[in-house]
Amino acid sequence: QVQLQESGPGLVKPSETLSLTCAVSGYSLSSGYYWGWIRQPPGKGLEWIGSISHTGSTYCNPSLKSRLTMSVDTSKNQFSLKLSSVTAADTAVYYCARTLYGGNDYRGQGTLVTVSS
Amino acid sequence: QSALTQPASVSGSPGQSITISCTGTSSDVGGYNYVSWYQQHPGKAPKLMILDVSDRPSGVSNRFSGSKSGNTASLTVSGLQAEDEADYYCSSYTSSRTWVFGGGTKLTVL
Repeated sequence: QVQLQESGPGLVKPSETLSLTCAVSGYSLSSGYYWGWIRQPPGKGLEWIGSISHTGSTYCNPSLKSRLTMSVDTSKNQFSLKLSSVTAADTAVYYCARTLYGGNDYRGQGTLVTVSS
Repeated sequence: QSALTQPASVSGSPGQSITISCTGTSSDVGGYNYVSWYQQHPGKAPKLMILDVSDRPSGVSNRFSGSKSGNTASLTVSGLQAEDEADYYCSSYTSSRTWVFGGGTKLTVL
């Protein structure tokens, strides 16, 4: 069974960088697929952030691309997200997920990141 | 990229069927058979209910079905049950090599 678990600070100050890691178990990242991030601001809908392949090839939401960095570490079987210059609008529950062209079939439980001083 | 268009809410009585629409463009919904649907109960993570327009993942009830016509995809829930009350989101791959979600639909079981 494929399992994903997000980790990272729950509180980030405005203008700083939000960093999250997603640890994957039950599947080797080096075997393929894209792995991505989705977020959901409190009381709002879902937003796709970006996805990365096991080789480091990335797809990014154009609205976030200038602030977004994604990486993958196949030796640790995890992938990461960095979002710079955050504001209160970046406050959300962040989910990591396995990305198929036709849907996200496995995802983590989500982690709330609050941007506040 | 613009979000896909979903009705804000739909409702139905137990045992009835409802359909949620998801309208995009020829650059996303209409251009690819890569539409998915997610169910989200309050405080829970979204659950994949349909992928690739009409495929059900293992463990998803066959009361849930998906289809597509032109630039509009649809999720049908038949034999409504109280546990189906939730928010539903559609998503599609796009020609820009990105994914886009719909705004979400709140399903109320009367």
